[in-house]
Amino acid sequence: EIVMTQSPATLSVSPGERATLSCRASQSVSSNLAWYQQKPGQAPRLLIYGASTRATGIPARFSGSGSGTEFTLTISSLQSEDFAVYYCQQYNNWPPSITFGQGTRLEIK
Amino acid sequence: QVQLQESGPGLVKPSQTLSLTCTVSGGSISSGSYYWSWIRQPAGKGLEWIGRIYTSGSTNYNPSLKSRVTISVDTSKNQFSLKLSSVTAADTAVYYCARAGGVTGFDYWGQGTLVTVSS
Repeated sequence: EIVMTQSPATLSVSPGERATLSCRASQSVSSNLAWYQQKPGQAPRLLIYGASTRATGIPARFSGSGSGTEFTLTISSLQSEDFAVYYCQQYNNWPPSITFGQGTRLEIK
Repeated sequence: QVQLQESGPGLVKPSQTLSLTCTVSGGSISSGSYYWSWIRQPAGKGLEWIGRIYTSGSTNYNPSLKSRVTISVDTSKNQFSLKLSSVTAADTAVYYCARAGGVTGFDYWGQGTLVTVSS
């Protein structure tokens, strides 16, 4: 099983500043990596897929980078609505497997 | 606009089988190249993928749950379903259904339904 490890577990950032979240895969997943945002009581929302492609309707302040085993989600100029939990997820096509990271909680500093 | 809605019992007794259905609206479940998945989340914890079914009917399951999981599809009702057998308290969670393309991640999700395993 491919294990996804996110860091840090909690990130405290002030509004208007930049946040950088990391995700590491235990083996290469190529660019088969997605990022999600989840707010309390809500389903996750897809932000990024293919490691760097923003999903429909996602603001340009969200960007993803990386390939292989190291990935980064960057949120430039944090807005109040961005404080949430973020998950990375790999979707390896062969052998078929899907695993999520444990999440990073982004909180207001 | 595609919408997904989970339904099923909110309370299941230990050792019994958990059964949930996801109804898809705003598009045909059998059109396009999509995977239809079940994902769960225990209270205060992270997301766990349970398994998926492709539009062709082929399935893939999380190895840790594979012996207890069955996912099926009913294209006539535009629904897909989850059965999880021999449940314990550890299976208590919010269960989500979701759609994914081959390389696009889960782009549509249901609102989630809480299933509690308790006698």
